Amino acid sequence: EVQLVQSGAEVKKPGESLRISCKGSGYSFTSYWISWVRQMPGKGLEWMGRIDPSDSYTNYSPSFQGHVTISADKSISTAYLQWSSLKASDTAMYYCARLAVAGGWFDPWGQGTLVTVSS
Amino acid sequence: EIVMTQSPATLSVSPGERATLSCRASQSVSSNLAWYQQKPGQAPRLLIYGASTRATGIPARFSGSGSGTEFTLTISSLQSEDFAVYYCQQYNNWPPVSTFGGGTKVEIK
Repeated sequence: EVQLVQSGAEVKKPGESLRISCKGSGYSFTSYWISWVRQMPGKGLEWMGRIDPSDSYTNYSPSFQGHVTISADKSISTAYLQWSSLKASDTAMYYCARLAVAGGWFDPWGQGTLVTVSS
Repeated sequence: EIVMTQSPATLSVSPGERATLSCRASQSVSSNLAWYQQKPGQAPRLLIYGASTRATGIPARFSGSGSGTEFTLTISSLQSEDFAVYYCQQYNNWPPVSTFGGGTKVEIK
């Protein structure tokens, strides 16, 4: 079974750093790009960026470029999303999702990681 | 950036009735359009890709149509498990940017 399993919920203070993870299993991790998607409380889905785990090439949405970093460690089939200095406005659910080889749709999705930033 | 607009924001439907959801792109995305279902507390689930191809395991009551800038998701006979929020996503200019619509909530009438 193809699965993406994300790390657990985090509670952080403004200004702190954070890295959350997404581990793939049941498929060749380096054969599919991984994307990250943000969902703020009560809001819709926003595509943040993607990474090719085979060479760590990344693309970001202009809205998130410079605010987050996407990386991957193919040796452990894991992708990461990280912040160097969190803001209260980063409070959201974050999903990773596998990008289809034949097109740009996402399937499957991870279960989500809730990040809460509060002083 | 291509903007995706979904309508209506909320759709009230009785079980067994048909639901028709719309998604409009600000410029042509050909057939590069996907639909997702999201239930409360759950991750989104892929329903449709390529505007009209059902994903694995998706019931036949879900169907997608359209191309260019106008797309429709139809649920032929709503079941209790279908009440959820539905999102469209374009991937025509992939890479580098993909965009989602704002969502349509399908609620029980």
